[in-house]
Amino acid sequence: GAVVSQHPSWVICKSGTSVKIECRSLDFQATTMFWYRQFPKQSLMLMATSNEGSKATYEQGVEKDKFLINHASLTLSTLTVTSAHPEDSSFYICSAALREHEQFFGPGTRLTVL
Amino acid sequence: GQNIDQPTEMTATEGAIVQINCTYQTSGFNGLFWYQQHAGEAPTFLSYNVLDGLEEKGRFSSFLSRSKGYSYLLLKELQMKDSASYLCAVMDSNYQLIWGAGTKLIIKP
Repeated sequence: GAVVSQHPSWVICKSGTSVKIECRSLDFQATTMFWYRQFPKQSLMLMATSNEGSKATYEQGVEKDKFLINHASLTLSTLTVTSAHPEDSSFYICSAALREHEQFFGPGTRLTVL
Repeated sequence: GQNIDQPTEMTATEGAIVQINCTYQTSGFNGLFWYQQHAGEAPTFLSYNVLDGLEEKGRFSSFLSRSKGYSYLLLKELQMKDSASYLCAVMDSNYQLIWGAGTKLIIKP
């Protein structure tokens, strides 16, 4: 149980385009989902916390107008990277909280912006 | 500020035992987690400690001392597939995970 999926698993796009990444909890309802970014050889960096039905809470330094988060249901959150640039190339990982101390991670989405 | 410290890299031999340490300073404490992350993949959950002491789970054990702000992950009977990064994370008073930079474990035959 407690499976989280992400789609797509990898994407290559041109600079200036927008990319949407989906995060789904497949067999449980998650009131809270988290979006992380991980650059090579670095640890996970929390970008935002997404609660179903309310606006996401962004970490300091993360532009909310660039990284749009929509948590439309208890099983789906989306992250849209708007006007992507090469420096946005990274590994984006979502996690869904089953309970306060139980986070389950999706497999990640590798974004490459040319 | 909040801080998680763990060694950057460790090397061990197949079949041996290795201990990965983690020290932390956070605003509040709601548990400490260890995750395993293979290159190019998302982290997978290994253990959760919220009380002092040792939690054993197969070849992996995790220890916590809240008074010392210290934890370790112990891996026994190392296998080549254990080569990965091991991430220590602490849940603070707001139930947010604070992540360490990870320890890259290299297993040699």
